[in-house]
Amino acid sequence: DAGVTQSPTHLIKTRGQQVTLRCSPKSGHDTVSWYQQALGQGPQFIFQYYEEEERQRGNFPDRFSGHQFPNYSSELNVNALLLGDSALYLCASSSTPGQRTGELFFGEGSRLTVL
Amino acid sequence: AQSVSQHNHHVILSEAASLELGCNYSYGGTVNLFWYVQYPGQHLQLLLKYFSGDPLVKGIKGFEAEFIKSKFSFNLRKPSVQWSDTAEYFCAVNAKAAGNKLTFGGGTRVLVKP
Repeated sequence: DAGVTQSPTHLIKTRGQQVTLRCSPKSGHDTVSWYQQALGQGPQFIFQYYEEEERQRGNFPDRFSGHQFPNYSSELNVNALLLGDSALYLCASSSTPGQRTGELFFGEGSRLTVL
Repeated sequence: AQSVSQHNHHVILSEAASLELGCNYSYGGTVNLFWYVQYPGQHLQLLLKYFSGDPLVKGIKGFEAEFIKSKFSFNLRKPSVQWSDTAEYFCAVNAKAAGNKLTFGGGTRVLVKP
């Protein structure tokens, strides 16, 4: 039973570029959440997708956008990259009941470095 | 602002010592509480969770946590740590008042010396 898988694991971009990160949820899960974890900090909620729609959003600018596909996989897009966007981006999945309790299953993350 | 606070950023202790990590949250109403652990080079994993019932919950690897509603706290404990407990520990809260999204504390990095 595959857990949450994310790609790529590492990537380097320059300021102003755009990046797309991908996530496949754990088998049986239909809800995907994205988090940003800066060095030395806890994960910060970006947004959550369910039924291909953004359901909740944290305090992140519109440069951060996402998408969920019919197979429940998801993408996180960040435009006009800034140095401060350098972080570990975590994808987490849950089943609908889990969504209400908050229990999430995490992938290993995509580490983005912006130069 | 509503938040989750972890009191210690770094903890260093020797094997067999007892561990207690503090966590406080500021949300009122119904909350679900979690401790996640991130071992070096690994993904975040659920250590234990509290939804309702007995406020003393037991998790994996000998960890336990106590929910004290009056203090808005959910402290993590382990009576005797091992070197393999070296990791970063995150408290997280899912609160109806916060739209049912999982909010994390800043984490506590624990180093257990052999």
